[in-house]
Amino acid sequence: EAGVAQSPRYKIIEKRQSVAFWCNPISGHATLYWYQQILGQGPKLLIQFQNNGVVDDSQLPKDRFSAERLKGVDSTLKIQPAKLEDSAVYLCASSESLLAGKNNEQFFGPGTRLTVL
Amino acid sequence: AQSVTQLGSHVSVSEGALVLLRCNYSSSVPPYLFWYVQYPNQGLQLLLKYTTGATLVKGINGFEAEFKKSETSFHLTKPSAHMSDAAEYFCASRGVGGKLIFGQGTELSVKP
Repeated sequence: EAGVAQSPRYKIIEKRQSVAFWCNPISGHATLYWYQQILGQGPKLLIQFQNNGVVDDSQLPKDRFSAERLKGVDSTLKIQPAKLEDSAVYLCASSESLLAGKNNEQFFGPGTRLTVL
Repeated sequence: AQSVTQLGSHVSVSEGALVLLRCNYSSSVPPYLFWYVQYPNQGLQLLLKYTTGATLVKGINGFEAEFKKSETSFHLTKPSAHMSDAAEYFCASRGVGGKLIFGQGTELSVKP
């Protein structure tokens, strides 16, 4: 079974530029998560989708970050304009379900390492 | 609000020695708890999880963790460290909607 795919793996941009990350979850997984992992910290949820609807985007800096999952499959996370503090690893994860008691194990992609200069 | 605290950002052990990584959680409801491992330039891999039932949970690669409600702890152990265990370890609890709330991570070094 193919895992969660993410691209690009690495990206270097200058501040105020824009950048986009792509995630393709495991086939059949309804729930998709984007996490931000700043160096030396644990991952923090940015946004969670259930199919093509947003479940939780309370921690997403909406003035500069946006995300979509139009067909309920793959997803794109965009930053515009980027700031120095956006330097981090952006992890995508997917699960079959978000319901407790169901098979809700999250499977993580390899991440995209963003450096903002 | 739910939170997870990992005691010690860096732990160093000798090969063959006991590994103990500490995790404490705060939750107003019975928690679902997880340990993940992250190797350099890779994503997170699930080691083990506690949902309900037996409080001693066995995971992959010889790791296990014990849920202690009275201590609000979920420490990760392995009897004998191997060089290949060197990695970053994250404790997490399940939050509303299924999101994971992570601790800050513990980097494990294994000396030959």
